[in-house]
Amino acid sequence: AQSVTQLGSHVSVSEGALVLLRCNYSSSVPPYLFWYVQYPNQGLQLLLKYTSAATLVKGINGFEAEFKKSETSFHLTKPSAHMSDAAEYFCAVTRWGGRRALTFGSGTRLQVQP
Amino acid sequence: NAGVTQTPKFRVLKTGQSMTLLCAQDMNHEYMYWYRQDPGMGLRLIHYSVGEGTTAKGEVPDGYNVSRLKKQNFLLGLESAAPSQTSVYFCASSYSSRGRAPNTGELFFGEGSRLTVL
Repeated sequence: AQSVTQLGSHVSVSEGALVLLRCNYSSSVPPYLFWYVQYPNQGLQLLLKYTSAATLVKGINGFEAEFKKSETSFHLTKPSAHMSDAAEYFCAVTRWGGRRALTFGSGTRLQVQP
Repeated sequence: NAGVTQTPKFRVLKTGQSMTLLCAQDMNHEYMYWYRQDPGMGLRLIHYSVGEGTTAKGEVPDGYNVSRLKKQNFLLGLESAAPSQTSVYFCASSYSSRGRAPNTGELFFGEGSRLTVL
């Protein structure tokens, strides 16, 4: 079985501050890990993904995430928050083979204060 | 460049009514999925399909049925709607690796269908 836990349902940062969204995973086999972003009243858009190549993954809009096997973590970071980053962020996991359906975390809503 | 299209985008039902959500993808993807999104619970898999004519249950299948008669379409049906089915429904698709770049698990999502059951 596989699962992800996102710590903090709401995170608030000031514009220009570091963004850190936490995700821990549980998987019996090496996982593929993803971060998706959802803007209000829209579908989910892929930010970045880890597929067992480089452990530091860079995504769109200046976001990056680091896969740490020893900590079973895949935290999302951005050095400097922008007002347009305000959205809900979902961490997700799957494993190679099978139905390939993603298992999602409960989501973290990011607020960016001016 | 349509990608994954869901219809309708909004619907209000009364308890006991039935309805069908349609998902259409134009990317020739083999795999299709229906998720529901509820506050604080992320997205949960309802049903999925790994090919035309095949469907399987996800983690929350009760009260829903699905059909995949054509490769590009995946229908989600509610036979007798209940207030607990008030949610935002997302369809997603992905491709088989056969003859293509390896599938690394990424799903392509529609914009969602907001259903309210009174």
